[in-house]
Amino acid sequence: NAGVTQTPKFQVLKTGQSMTLQCAQDMNHEYMSWYRQDPGMGLRLIHYSVGAGITDQGEVPNGYNVSRSTTEDFPLRLLSAAPSQTSVYFCASRQGLVEAFFGQGTRLTVV
Amino acid sequence: DAKTTQPPSMDCAEGRAANLPCNHSTISGNEYVYWYRQIHSQGPQYIIHGLKNNETNEMASLIITEDRKSSTLILPHATLRDTAVYYCIAAGTNAGKSTFGDGTTLTVKP
Repeated sequence: NAGVTQTPKFQVLKTGQSMTLQCAQDMNHEYMSWYRQDPGMGLRLIHYSVGAGITDQGEVPNGYNVSRSTTEDFPLRLLSAAPSQTSVYFCASRQGLVEAFFGQGTRLTVV
Repeated sequence: DAKTTQPPSMDCAEGRAANLPCNHSTISGNEYVYWYRQIHSQGPQYIIHGLKNNETNEMASLIITEDRKSSTLILPHATLRDTAVYYCIAAGTNAGKSTFGDGTTLTVKP
């Protein structure tokens, strides 16, 4: 049982490049979320999904797209990377009102 | 989700109880209080949650006031490994939309 798996763990992008951060969970959870964490700060919600085919915006959605075609996967797409998107990205999943499980993060640097 | 307020930092002596407060004065009746912690830059780890009754598990105890406007996470015998950022969150049925504040940085000192 792997829990929540994020890939890649590290990534360096040039300004203007696009990429997809992958998130997969094997717990059949309905809810999945993406957060970003800047140095010394808390987690800020980017996008979330309450089930396959359903997504919604969080606090800081600009510059990011998501889709949820399956229960297991919730990829986060950076459309045109900017230095302001340098951050650590965490994916989380949960079922109902019980605990959320987090991945180990993707550390993204945009130069 | 209701907004939560936590002190930015706290210190605790090793072996003593660490009591971390959280204010959630606008919490609604169907929102639970959750606590997570984040060690270094790892993904946050669930600790405990509750609705209105006090809760205890192998990691910690959660005390929720009768009016539910505040709560306290208690680590009964803090160790150096408990040094982390602790987040208090109020979340209801739309659990996927949980928002995190800046949390409390707990430093356990020898």
